[in-house]
Amino acid sequence: NAGVTQTPKFQVLKTGQSMTLQCAQDMNHNSMYWYRQDPGMGLRLIYYSASEGTTDKGEVPNGYNVSRLNKREFSLRLESAAPSQTSVYFCASSVWGVLGEDTQYFGPGTRLTVL
Amino acid sequence: RKEVEQDPGPFNVPEGATVAFNCTYSNSASQSFFWYRQDCRKEPKLLMSVYSSGNEDGRFTAQLNRASQYISLLIRDSKLSDSATYLCVGDGGSQGNLIFGKGTKLSVKP
Repeated sequence: NAGVTQTPKFQVLKTGQSMTLQCAQDMNHNSMYWYRQDPGMGLRLIYYSASEGTTDKGEVPNGYNVSRLNKREFSLRLESAAPSQTSVYFCASSVWGVLGEDTQYFGPGTRLTVL
Repeated sequence: RKEVEQDPGPFNVPEGATVAFNCTYSNSASQSFFWYRQDCRKEPKLLMSVYSSGNEDGRFTAQLNRASQYISLLIRDSKLSDSATYLCVGDGGSQGNLIFGKGTKLSVKP
């Protein structure tokens, strides 16, 4: 049981290049999330998918697109990378607890640098 | 804007000390709260959920005070391995909407 996996672990892009960050979970969770983490800013939600076939914008969606390919996989795409998108990107998946709490589990992250 | 505020620290404590972190939240509609632990250059990992009645897991105790809108985490008998950043998290009132604090850094020294 690998939990949440992300690829790649590291990536360097030039301004204007595109790339897709991959995320997969094997915990049979319905909901999946993409966050970015910047120094002094904490974790900020980019997009999330409450269930297969649905996606919604989070706090900072501009410059990103997502695809919920199936229940296991949720990808994040940067169409034209900008230096402001230099960050650490975390994928998460979640399960609802018995008390109604939404507990999220994170992947190991992708460190992206845009030059 | 809904926020979760916490003291950034760092908290520098000796091994064996008791240390307490507090955090406040602005959204009175929040129902679920959590403490996550994040090691340097690693992903956040769930430490514990926080319930209204308070809950304990070994050396860790979490408390929720809804009237004052704050959450606390108490760590007893600190270990070197407790050194990390602790993230306070509250839900924003809708699914998928967790609000993360910026974290409190703890450093436990020998």
